[in-house]
Amino acid sequence: QQPVQSPQAVILREGEDAVINCSSSKALYSVHWYRQKHGEAPVFLMILLKGGEQKGHEKISASFNEKKQQSSLYLTASQLSYSGTYFCGTSRHGSSNTGKLIFGQGTTLQVKP
Amino acid sequence: DAGVIQSPRHEVTEMGQEVTLRCKPISGHNSLFWYRQTMMRGLELLIYFNNNVPIDDSGMPEDRFSAKMPNASFSTLKIQPSEPRDSAVYFCASSRRDRDNQPQHFGDGTRLSIL
Repeated sequence: QQPVQSPQAVILREGEDAVINCSSSKALYSVHWYRQKHGEAPVFLMILLKGGEQKGHEKISASFNEKKQQSSLYLTASQLSYSGTYFCGTSRHGSSNTGKLIFGQGTTLQVKP
Repeated sequence: DAGVIQSPRHEVTEMGQEVTLRCKPISGHNSLFWYRQTMMRGLELLIYFNNNVPIDDSGMPEDRFSAKMPNASFSTLKIQPSEPRDSAVYFCASSRRDRDNQPQHFGDGTRLSIL
């Protein structure tokens, strides 16, 4: 089942913060985050494997709440280069370790000067 | 290190023609995934392979689509006959399976237009 991302789109000014959420109706084993710029391939940002785990990548971090079956991506002090579409990809609890991901529909982020 | 290599980058062909998309995964990666991306349906998993063996092809739209992985360094996705609704960007991705939940590395994609 496809995870649901919110919001669908967000517009920011440089320096502002944003949060993107990814929710699943099924138990999750892990959440992957990717960013895709227009006309390019998705690029891996980070994986969260444990409930409550928080990871960071420059000024982009994420949390994973296993109980709530959701993950949030935090972008602080946004830069122009953060613009793009953000996807979460989820893998299910109890699934064999196949690496299969189901991607959300994406959140489009636009950062303006 | 070379990333995932896909060819062609762009393909324009007429309805009814056979289309073959190619993918070379990252050396040492033993999982390979084919995705289709459209505005309407987003990023859909079509099929994936582990150690050259197809594991799950439930995302393949219909019998017109087929995929093969004859060896660890090459995979093809074939559409025969092609239809205008097959127009999309097709991505190939690869990952390692030696540890839990390795990231997937995407190729640049093939932008397919069926007229």
